[in-house]
Amino acid sequence: AQSVTQLDSHVSVSEGTPVLLRCNYSSSYSPSLFWYVQHPNKGLQLLLKYTSAATLVKGINGFEAEFKKSETSFHLTKPSAHMSDAAEYFCVVSDSSGYALNFGKGTSLLVTP
Amino acid sequence: GAVVSQHPSRVICKSGTSVKIECRSLDFQATTMFWYRQFPKKSLMLMATSNEGSKATYEQGVEKDKFLINHASLTLSTLTVTSAHPEDSSFYICSARVNAGEQFFGPGTRLTVL
Repeated sequence: AQSVTQLDSHVSVSEGTPVLLRCNYSSSYSPSLFWYVQHPNKGLQLLLKYTSAATLVKGINGFEAEFKKSETSFHLTKPSAHMSDAAEYFCVVSDSSGYALNFGKGTSLLVTP
Repeated sequence: GAVVSQHPSRVICKSGTSVKIECRSLDFQATTMFWYRQFPKKSLMLMATSNEGSKATYEQGVEKDKFLINHASLTLSTLTVTSAHPEDSSFYICSARVNAGEQFFGPGTRLTVL
């Protein structure tokens, strides 16, 4: 079975400082991995996805994630946080058919002035 | 990007009544739609997968007679919560995709059962 574990339920950073949201995955095959963001009262938005191409994936809004097979990790980073980045972030792995998505429990990102 | 809408955005109903939630793909035809449930401070839980014109496939533990899903067209899927109870109160989110493409998510519907 495929699953992801988000290591932090809450992360707080100051505006302008780096963001690191951690995610470890478990999969019996080469997985497809995603990061989604959920702002209040808005739908989930895809930030980026890894599908066995380049291990460093660049997404929207300055976010990127690196797939590390040896560490089974897919951490999300951003060099400089913006107030508008405050939201809930989900690390997601697809099943073997690429059909269904398995969500992590989410990390709430708080950005302080 | 592709847009998926949900209606209503929030609904309050009395215990024992049924509630219908609509999910529409506005600018594309979705071969598959998914229904998720999100509890407070929890991740999304896949409830069921529906393909246009066929019966929905429910995840283990989801009562198909309670959560009726209809995918009547390539742009519309409905979730009906029958005989709703307070424990059915939750945030319901749909998504839609074309073949093996990206899933596009709706904004969600908050259901409160009194």
